[in-house]
Amino acid sequence: GQNIDQPTEMTATEGAIVQINCTYQTSGFNGLFWYQQHAGEAPTFLSYNVLDGLEEKGRFSSFLSRSKGYSYLLLKELQMKDSASYLCAEIPDSNYQLIWGAGTKLIIKP
Amino acid sequence: EAGVTQSPTHLIKTRGQQVTLRCSPISGHTSVYWYQQALGLGLQFLLWYDEGEERNRGNFPPRFSGRQFPNYSSELNVNALELEDSALYLCASSPTGDHEQYFGPGTRLTVT
Repeated sequence: GQNIDQPTEMTATEGAIVQINCTYQTSGFNGLFWYQQHAGEAPTFLSYNVLDGLEEKGRFSSFLSRSKGYSYLLLKELQMKDSASYLCAEIPDSNYQLIWGAGTKLIIKP
Repeated sequence: EAGVTQSPTHLIKTRGQQVTLRCSPISGHTSVYWYQQALGLGLQFLLWYDEGEERNRGNFPPRFSGRQFPNYSSELNVNALELEDSALYLCASSPTGDHEQYFGPGTRLTVT
């Protein structure tokens, strides 16, 4: 089966940088999403990577290495509102059903 | 453009009862996904509908069922409710052939 691993919880300081890692099985991979979910709310789209490399969007960047089955989400200039869970989701081969990681709860401290 | 809508927002039921949750996808989206998210846990895939047909279901008992209507809206039915069914039920939609899922606000179900 397919498995996605990401840390359960991370803590960072306001204004700092944090990197949230996600590893997945490399067989039948078609792309990877990152979503943000604030407590009690629905997930919202952050990024989509299908090719190797870094995609930058303002304070948030996402990186993908297909050969290593690895992705990370980089958050810069952290703000208190960035406290949320960050979910990575893989697109398996020829199947539009995303495979979701359990999410990383990010706690931002002043 | 209106987003994914779900109803009701909150629901309280007692054990053994039945519940129906509703989802309207974004206009033009043909795929609807249902997820269960218990407090503090990740998304657990329940069901995927596309073009009116069930495409896949997650590892849930048969008392979890649903359907998709010709207008692509969807219902999730849960029979014989159990306490552990208490969770946030999220619906997401996507256009045919697209992978990005757009989530609704969810229905918070509490079973007492």
